[in-house]
Amino acid sequence: GAVVSQHPSWVICKSGTSVKIECRSLDFQATTMFWYRQFPKQSLMLMATSNEGSKATYEQGVEKDKFLINHASLTLSTLTVTSAHPEDSSFYICSTRWGGATDTQYFGPGTRLTVL
Amino acid sequence: SQQGEEDPQALSIQEGENATMNCSYKTSINNLQWYRQNSGRGLVHLILIRSNEREKHSGRLRVTLDTSKKSSSLLITASRAADTASYFCAVYNFNKFYFGSGTKLNVKP
Repeated sequence: GAVVSQHPSWVICKSGTSVKIECRSLDFQATTMFWYRQFPKQSLMLMATSNEGSKATYEQGVEKDKFLINHASLTLSTLTVTSAHPEDSSFYICSTRWGGATDTQYFGPGTRLTVL
Repeated sequence: SQQGEEDPQALSIQEGENATMNCSYKTSINNLQWYRQNSGRGLVHLILIRSNEREKHSGRLRVTLDTSKKSSSLLITASRAADTASYFCAVYNFNKFYFGSGTKLNVKP
């Protein structure tokens, strides 16, 4: 299967600051990546679909100006949480489809964000 | 919502017993997938079943799909303590994945 990494694995920041989370596909080219958030003891909620070289597609209710997504290369997508607040504290997970298997996802290990 | 709904929310069994988790969804699907998540970690893909399939096996895992009832089940046979994790179903449609609420499985040694 494909290998997806995320950095950092955890981050603590002060309210009002911005945090960037990186998602990398290590052994393949990913034209599409997905970003999810997961609150404690809850399921994953799709936030946005990141497409290489074009604007991300956001799910209903997700603020695109708050969660900035950049997919500038085939191996890297970034999620920037701008002006973070405590309610943004969550587990953020990226995933990507692998090669020609368009309906199988491979997930990164996740990033735990805590906003004080 | 297109998300799957799972039951039970939590399941506690003894090692060696079988564990069954169910998932229901609301829309048509291309396929349905099951994932496992250890606490605070990413997800691991377990098995995929396509909409034209009724049953699939992978090692100790057995997945069934009933598209008429819009439901799927995951059976883990001869469970082990290492199977302790949360299990999620995910429906794939319109090039997106929507996850169920998950079942937290605890296998007691």
